Amino acid sequence: DAKTTQPPSMDCAEGRAANLPCNHSTISGNEYVYWYRQIHSQGPQYIIHGLKNNETNEMASLIITEDRKSSTLILPHATLRDTAVYYCIVRPYDSWGKLQFGAGTQVVVTP
Amino acid sequence: DSGVTQTPKHLITATGQRVTLRCSPRSGDLSVYWYQQSLDQGLQFLIQYYNGEERAKGNILERFSAQQFPDLHSELNLSSLELGDSALYFCASSAGLADTDTQYFGPGTRLTVL
Repeated sequence: DAKTTQPPSMDCAEGRAANLPCNHSTISGNEYVYWYRQIHSQGPQYIIHGLKNNETNEMASLIITEDRKSSTLILPHATLRDTAVYYCIVRPYDSWGKLQFGAGTQVVVTP
Repeated sequence: DSGVTQTPKHLITATGQRVTLRCSPRSGDLSVYWYQQSLDQGLQFLIQYYNGEERAKGNILERFSAQQFPDLHSELNLSSLELGDSALYFCASSAGLADTDTQYFGPGTRLTVL
């Protein structure tokens, strides 16, 4: 399975965009990039996923580089409620749904 | 609210005991997944069921077992409990087996073994 590398922590000012990087240099062509977040021991919350095209939904945007070796999750206007651990997950095509969570990035949004 | 429900929210028990955690998936979802989150191990996949049948297994201990019932709810049974079993246990559900099926997580059950 492709491994992901994320910074352990980052701070973001409220109202500004938060750009969360993820490196997945060993990703295969049929593996999806998923982002989840976990707010203080609550259940992980799905944010967005993509294969090779950039994706946007009501929560965030996902930018995947052309070589697919890295991606960036963008929270356009961070709020205090976005403080959470953000997980970047590469999901193999034949994973039978299993999600492999790493350590994630602890994002703290400050006023 | 993800639509996945888990009971109980908290469970405190003693070593050697047996407990059952319950999960109700989102309406229409056929797949159920169980994950364990402990302080030192992070979120770990335990087991997956699809429409009543076991489909995938992770690092689930032999003392743990699960099943999915005809009404699609699932139960995770933990027996001969040890202190190290103290953790958050999450259930997730997805529509089916497609690799792009999004998993939606429940609020979790916090198990404390004393």
